[in-house]
Amino acid sequence: TQLLEQSPQFLSIQEGENLTVYCNSSSVFSSLQWYRQEPGEGPVLLVTVVTGGEVKKLKRLTFQFGDARKDSSLHITAAQPGDTGLYLCAGVRAGGTSYGKLTFGQGTILTVHP
Amino acid sequence: DTGVSQNPRHKITKRGQNVTFRCDPISEHNRLYWYRQTLGQGPEFLTYFQNEAQLEKSRLLSDRFSAERPKGSFSTLEIQRTEQGDSAMYLCASSFSITEAFFGQGTRLTVV
Repeated sequence: TQLLEQSPQFLSIQEGENLTVYCNSSSVFSSLQWYRQEPGEGPVLLVTVVTGGEVKKLKRLTFQFGDARKDSSLHITAAQPGDTGLYLCAGVRAGGTSYGKLTFGQGTILTVHP
Repeated sequence: DTGVSQNPRHKITKRGQNVTFRCDPISEHNRLYWYRQTLGQGPEFLTYFQNEAQLEKSRLLSDRFSAERPKGSFSTLEIQRTEQGDSAMYLCASSFSITEAFFGQGTRLTVV
């Protein structure tokens, strides 16, 4: 079983629609990061959330960290074809080493059709 | 400094050969990580360096894998006697704090 469960795994929507990607765990994380990855490239950091209940906005993207720091969500408003890609959540487990080792979810493949 | 740099971008090798990948982190970052990503999956942690010290290794890192970070700057990941199951994207990341990690473009390894 995955430590971080991402859902949905695949999302195919029309331009202009809204969407939400979820990242859930039974473990507590000291921080959680969201990445976007293009085919054949490395993940690009979008945002880091560290405080329970925290909400961060990046243009049309809104990120939330759950109050208990076990879950997070990414909401995209008015999706555009340029948002197409693999979205990954990754967290640093609380209570472990302080090395910053990331545990990743399986990813959500988003396709936005024009 | 434009970010984490990995070389080569692609490597095709025959089964049984040795391969070595290089990672140049962002210059002021003392933390360096290697991850492996197979198709359709998120990256999995392989190993961590703080400066030149290798402080953690995953069980995924068999004895055929070795990583170094001499002088705490660039890092190399070597795979000896490659197997088809080693085919994957190998990603390097560096950071200054534990809350943000910046990834390179990755090295895509294909073992034929």
